[in-house]
Amino acid sequence: DSGVTQTPKHLITATGQRVTLRCSPRSGDLSVYWYQQSLDQGLQFLIQYYNGEERAKGNILERFSAQQFPDLHSELNLSSLELGDSALYFCASSAGVSGNTIYFGEGSWLTVV
Amino acid sequence: AQSVTQPDIHITVSEGASLELRCNYSYGATPYLFWYVQSPGQGLQLLLKYFSGDTLVQGIKGFEAEFKRSQSSFNLRKPSVHWSDAAEYFCAGVNYGGSQGNLIFGKGTKLSVKP
Repeated sequence: DSGVTQTPKHLITATGQRVTLRCSPRSGDLSVYWYQQSLDQGLQFLIQYYNGEERAKGNILERFSAQQFPDLHSELNLSSLELGDSALYFCASSAGVSGNTIYFGEGSWLTVV
Repeated sequence: AQSVTQPDIHITVSEGASLELRCNYSYGATPYLFWYVQSPGQGLQLLLKYFSGDTLVQGIKGFEAEFKRSQSSFNLRKPSVHWSDAAEYFCAGVNYGGSQGNLIFGKGTKLSVKP
């Protein structure tokens, strides 16, 4: 158990819909990262938050957004969903902004039908 | 540009045989390097990490990795593979002292174990 908690574990939704994925980082960790894993793209970095502020942006679509709340949990919002958004979405956390061990959650499986 | 490369997409070894999974990195500065393992349907579990110091690092489940700056490599090894080691293995790196901490992952190597 990495200490990073993600909910829901599985989600099936229709195209055009909006979903929210939630992440609780390890106790004491200030950085939260979101990654997308798909068969064709592999593990893609989406976005990093550090202590509530956006720190780095990767290949995140405009239809996707994220935030980190004062209690340090984070949410990833995916809207206007398309079939190609079906993937495993990972949350990860680390103590600092860089140069720390990064621990991953179990992931949220999203299926868009 | 920073990159992590895993040259082998799929490797099959016999149970009890030794294993080496290759990882090469391209970073301007000294990277922090990691190996993660993903079992089918599971999340990413940290096997080991290299930050600095001793270039041979020990991890969980009997794995070790050696950082070789001259070869830009961080290969993962295990002396005797067990059937439960069948999984996908990812090498990843992050900039040392960077302003952001996101990992750059290799494409992964899928390990199959023959009985």
